[in-house]
Amino acid sequence: AQSVTQPDIHITVSEGASLELRCNYSYGATPYLFWYVQSPGQGLQLLLKYFSGDTLVQGIKGFEAEFKRSQSSFNLRKPSVHWSDAAEYFCAVGQFSGGGADGLTFGKGTHLIIQP
Amino acid sequence: DAGVTQSPTHLIKTRGQHVTLRCSPISGHKSVSWYQQVLGQGPQFIFQYYEKEERGRGNFPDRFSARQFPNYSSELNVNALLLGDSALYLCASSLGLAGVYEQYFGPGTRLTVT
Repeated sequence: AQSVTQPDIHITVSEGASLELRCNYSYGATPYLFWYVQSPGQGLQLLLKYFSGDTLVQGIKGFEAEFKRSQSSFNLRKPSVHWSDAAEYFCAVGQFSGGGADGLTFGKGTHLIIQP
Repeated sequence: DAGVTQSPTHLIKTRGQHVTLRCSPISGHKSVSWYQQVLGQGPQFIFQYYEKEERGRGNFPDRFSARQFPNYSSELNVNALLLGDSALYLCASSLGLAGVYEQYFGPGTRLTVT
């Protein structure tokens, strides 16, 4: 069964500093990988996705992520964070079995705190 | 364009009762998925419906059921509510099967079981 691990429950970063959120997945075939952000009281917003091709993926709000097959990782990065980036971030993996689909498997999330 | 809409926003029920949650997908989207998000956890997949047929089911008991209507809107039903069913229930729609096509999430329904 597929799984997603986000090893950092909380991360604190100073405003203007760079950010990297870690994500490791377990899946037998080529995964479909996603990063979502959830602000308090809000639904999930898609930041970026990887299906195939270039392993460095650009997303919205200045975020990017790099797929590394050898490390089973899909880490999210941003060169300079803003106070408005404070939120919960979820990594997710999807699968398609041909006969059906099991939706997305999410990690437990990383809570990002921005220090002024 | 309107995003995914869910109703109601909040709901309080008593143990043993039944609840129905509703979701309207983005226009043109034929797939609707349901997720349960317990406080402090990531969303867990419950169901996916595509073209009105169930196309995926997560590890949830038979008390959970869903259906998709001809206009692609969907209902999630939960019978015999337990305290542990208290959670944010998220609906997501996509053009095609979830896991392949990106999903767009609604704001959720917050269910509290007392």
